[in-house]
Amino acid sequence: SQQGEEDPQALSIQEGENATMNCSYKTSINNLQWYRQNSGRGLVHLILIRSNEREKHSGRLRVTLDTSKKSSSLLITASRAADTASYFCATSAAGGTSYGKLTFGQGTILTVHP
Amino acid sequence: NAGVTQTPKFQVLKTGQSMTLQCAQDMNHEYMSWYRQDPGMGLRLIHYSVGAGITDQGEVPNGYNVSRSTTEDFPLRLLSAAPSQTSVYFCASSPDRIHYGYTFGSGTRLTVV
Repeated sequence: SQQGEEDPQALSIQEGENATMNCSYKTSINNLQWYRQNSGRGLVHLILIRSNEREKHSGRLRVTLDTSKKSSSLLITASRAADTASYFCATSAAGGTSYGKLTFGQGTILTVHP
Repeated sequence: NAGVTQTPKFQVLKTGQSMTLQCAQDMNHEYMSWYRQDPGMGLRLIHYSVGAGITDQGEVPNGYNVSRSTTEDFPLRLLSAAPSQTSVYFCASSPDRIHYGYTFGSGTRLTVV
C-alpha cells in the first residue's frame, strides 16, 4: 500500500502564483523527499528533509515537515510555466523490516499557465 | 558521468516470455531500487538492494527477480511476462538512505501482449 497521500491530486495556477502541495504519511520516517517528474521522463530529486528538521529551503522551494501530524508541504513560489510537472513525496521508513525503503505517494499534477 | 542508465527504453513482450531490464550506475552508490509506475498508482517498489550481494523485496515483488553481483549493476528479471506487468519501470540509486535522495534512470516502457 502507498505510504504517502498527496493533496491535491491536481493543481492549476497562473504563472507568478505560489503552488502548495501537501503530503501525509502513516509510519515513522528517517526523511521525506520531494521529486518532480516531467511528462514521460524520469524523476528528479528536489529536496530532502530529515525527521528532526521542520523547514527547509532550496531556491524557490520551501518544504515543511510536521512529524506529530505525519504531514509535509511543498511550496513553490513565483511559479513558472516550466514548473509544470507531477510532484511526488516519498518517505524513507525509520525502522523494522522496512528500514530505509523509499515509498512514494501518488503525486500532484501541477499545471502552470503562462 | 552518465548517472543511472536503463536499457532498453522500450520493449514489447509476449505473454510468457522472459527478459532482463538492465540498470547500471557509475556513481558508486550502495543503494539501488526498482520501481514500477502505473497510471494513478504512483511508484511502487519492486525490489531494492543495500549493497552488492544484498537484496530485499518491496511492495510488489511477485513475478520479478533481482541480483546484485556488483555495485554498479542491478538487473531486474521478468520470469514469465504477464499483461499485468505492462508498466514503466524505473531504476534508482543513492549513496545512503538518510542524507541523500535517489537518482533515477529515464525508465523502460514495457508492454506485454
